[in-house]
Amino acid sequence: GAVVSQHPSRVICKSGTSVKIECRSLDFQATTMFWYRQFPKQSLMLMATSNEGSKATYEQGVEKDKFLINHASLTLSTLTVTSAHPEDSSFYICSAFRTSGGIKETQYFGPGTRLLVL
Amino acid sequence: EDQVTQSPEALRLQEGESSSLNCSYTVSGLRGLFWYRQDPGKGPEFLFTLYSAGEEKEKERLKATLTKKESFLHITAPKPEDSATYLCAVQTNGGSQGNLIFGKGTKLSVKP
Repeated sequence: GAVVSQHPSRVICKSGTSVKIECRSLDFQATTMFWYRQFPKQSLMLMATSNEGSKATYEQGVEKDKFLINHASLTLSTLTVTSAHPEDSSFYICSAFRTSGGIKETQYFGPGTRLLVL
Repeated sequence: EDQVTQSPEALRLQEGESSSLNCSYTVSGLRGLFWYRQDPGKGPEFLFTLYSAGEEKEKERLKATLTKKESFLHITAPKPEDSATYLCAVQTNGGSQGNLIFGKGTKLSVKP
């Protein structure tokens, strides 16, 4: 079954508005979650690392003031796309590492959120 | 520069026609190699993790293998429901925990 959930699965908004996307780890705690973006026919690109209780770490080229990340608890991270523009339209996917056996880690992904900015 | 290359970009098979997908990588230090399946409009679904050369893992019709330079995902007697994009990703020793470097994927189509 799913171990990471996202909400909403799809959102359409007007240019200039802000959109919040939630990512939850199910049945396990994740001190770190990750946000990816995927454009059509392209691979996943890491945007930022969300750290519980501290500031997110952004990848080069990702505007931290535009993509606000909050990791309020060990099971919830949110990504807010502020003042969204059509070029922000994409598929946003979150993930979290789940440790098994204390050593081996598996990164599980959420089902993704399709954002369309008109 | 760390790099992951998948081939072919697209693969069309008849039901029952076995084949392999390739993932070649060039990284400074491999911490783990991951295979995911992604259906259209959905997030990647975890399949396998491989950590060291020579390691193999199997799940139903899929078998993943790893060498020091590449990984193969073997599909035995595929069925139409195996149609999806298969993604390969590597995690490096020098990278941050979540920084998976993804290949562009292989889009597999299995015709009945």
